[in-house]
Amino acid sequence: GAGVSQSPSNKVTEKGKDVELRCDPISGHTALYWYRQRLGQGLEFLIYFQGNSAPDKSGLPSDRFSAERTGESVSTLTIQRTQQEDSAVYLCASSLEGTNTGELFFGEGSRLTVL
Amino acid sequence: AQSVTQPDIHITVSEGASLELRCNYSYGATPYLFWYVQSPGQGLQLLLKYFSGDTLVQGIKGFEAEFKRSQSSFNLRKPSVHWSDAAEYFCAVGSTGFQKLVFGTGTRLLVSP
Repeated sequence: GAGVSQSPSNKVTEKGKDVELRCDPISGHTALYWYRQRLGQGLEFLIYFQGNSAPDKSGLPSDRFSAERTGESVSTLTIQRTQQEDSAVYLCASSLEGTNTGELFFGEGSRLTVL
Repeated sequence: AQSVTQPDIHITVSEGASLELRCNYSYGATPYLFWYVQSPGQGLQLLLKYFSGDTLVQGIKGFEAEFKRSQSSFNLRKPSVHWSDAAEYFCAVGSTGFQKLVFGTGTRLLVSP
């Protein structure tokens, strides 16, 4: 597609369950980011992938959070043993490194509700 | 570490009136600064960005922003607001390589008739 695609758009789960969120970046974009947006708060950086380099995981809040990316394509954010404080909108963004634009293209997000 | 402060959580402006949204940043070197807009049901969209050069930058939808190094500010302005501008606005700061943009908490703009 033309933009960043995220799925599911909404996910309701029970506390303690695992969830997987998927991001399909814009074709050709080598950089991929995950951010978390809690209600009434700004965007919180989680993880950054750039090509085949080791990802920057410095924003992951706990070891329950992990993310993978296959090459320069789809990424999956996994949250294990979900807690109520994990409820948020998870935003994925991609960018075309090397163009010096600094512009991130965001998906519409996956809204996660943990009951 | 980089940080961004948007002191106004909500702002209400009458349609046709001027708008200024405040953004202050903290960064030791020359920052790269961005304004993004998040409309209901849509992803964040870049309005404008500042890297270097002219401190007054023009963006899409009639928005502009001015970088003031002495005040560590990058305020967003629009001379005449339209009802379709109602949205949430985020200021962000980045560094070389544009890794890990740091975002402010956002300002929600409401436009009254």
